[in-house]
Amino acid sequence: QLQLQESGPGLVKPSETLSLSCTVSGASINSNENCWVWIRQSPGKGLEWIGSVRSGGRTYYNPSLKSRVTTSIDTPRNQFSLNLRSVTAADTAVYFCARLAVATREIDSWGQGTLVSVSS
Amino acid sequence: QSALTQPPSASGSPGQSVTISCTGTSSDVGGYNFVSWYQQHPDKAPKLIIYGVTKRPSGVPDRFSGSKSGNTASLTVSGLQAEDEADYYCSSYGGSDNFVVFGGGTKVTVL
Repeated sequence: QLQLQESGPGLVKPSETLSLSCTVSGASINSNENCWVWIRQSPGKGLEWIGSVRSGGRTYYNPSLKSRVTTSIDTPRNQFSLNLRSVTAADTAVYFCARLAVATREIDSWGQGTLVSVSS
Repeated sequence: QSALTQPPSASGSPGQSVTISCTGTSSDVGGYNFVSWYQQHPDKAPKLIIYGVTKRPSGVPDRFSGSKSGNTASLTVSGLQAEDEADYYCSSYGGSDNFVVFGGGTKVTVL
């Protein structure tokens, strides 16, 4: 059974870089069937896609965040990661990692989410 | 502003049906049969309930059904139950520049 678990700091200072990792168990991070996704949800708000990464390093980013986002895969650790640069209070959110099925484009497995607050 | 438009709220009594719309464009909802719906209870991760416009993952009750006409997709919950009270989000593939687009979410209340 596929499981995903986010990890990283719960507090980041303004202007710094938010860095999160997602550990995948029950599936290969390099499978061509999978695309790995970051999604966030600001307090009381809806879901926002941040970016996606596939094996081979192909990436896709939300146009509104593209200038600040990097996603990557760490094959030996079966993990993928998110870096969001120059954060502000508006980046305070619960961050979810998830798997998107490439063939049918649905997000069928989610991590539990981790709250990241941006504050000095 | 979300890329896909959903009504902010919907409600129905137990046993009734509620339908939620999700309006996009020909570049997302209307252009691909890759519409998904997610159910989210408070402080929980979203759960996939419909994919490929009409398909239900294993374990999702057949009370949940999806459809699409043009640029608008819909989710219908029949025979409402108390546990269906949640937020519902639609999503669509929108091409390589908008790999995942979400609706703003609809809060369903069971009266």
